[in-house]
Amino acid sequence: GESVGLHLPTLSVQEGDNSIINCAYSNSASDYFIWYKQESGKGPQFIIDIRSNMDKRQGQRVTVLLNKTVKHLSLQIAATQPGDSAVYFCAEGMNTGFQKLVFGTGTRLLVSP
Amino acid sequence: DVKVTQSSRYLVKRTGEKVFLECVQDMDHENMFWYRQDPGLGLRLIYFSYDVKMKEKGDIPEGYSVSREKKERFSLILESASTNQTSMYLCASSWTGTGNQPQHFGDGTRLSIL
Repeated sequence: GESVGLHLPTLSVQEGDNSIINCAYSNSASDYFIWYKQESGKGPQFIIDIRSNMDKRQGQRVTVLLNKTVKHLSLQIAATQPGDSAVYFCAEGMNTGFQKLVFGTGTRLLVSP
Repeated sequence: DVKVTQSSRYLVKRTGEKVFLECVQDMDHENMFWYRQDPGLGLRLIYFSYDVKMKEKGDIPEGYSVSREKKERFSLILESASTNQTSMYLCASSWTGTGNQPQHFGDGTRLSIL
């Protein structure tokens, strides 16, 4: 069946480092991908999305890379800050039909000062 | 900014009770969703709605129903609460645009069924 997974359940980095969070997806028909950040006690917060007609998209301090050949998605956070500590998860969907998303289980990012 | 408001942050109910979880969004979004979030399982879709009075089953609809009488409000109903429905419940909304659009979430209701 469809699934969205993450390679690393926990990622620990030092403040100022760049972080890379990875995600593998299994549905080759998916053409929309999105990253969320979830802080403790809060709901998921939209970070950035990308459609399959792109392989890279940049936001403020974040970059999402999409490799459709190997069905891999990554989120890069530049100059990681303690406020970036949270659970990050990806989701996949399709641009047609109902706007359903399939979510991964998440990676916890821990940023040490 | 999009604001999705869930009426309760924490709720404790007893087995067999009928439970109502309320969600309101202020961005005139057409689509609304209810998920549950459990450790190790990620977000699982219970029901969604793409218009007033319209509803579609998600992946785990058993034991739940929904109501969407107004565009801004989407209610999740546990007909007869059971202990296996103890979970974090998240509501989301999105705009119907060209292609898929980001879903925006509320801060969740942590529901405990005793």
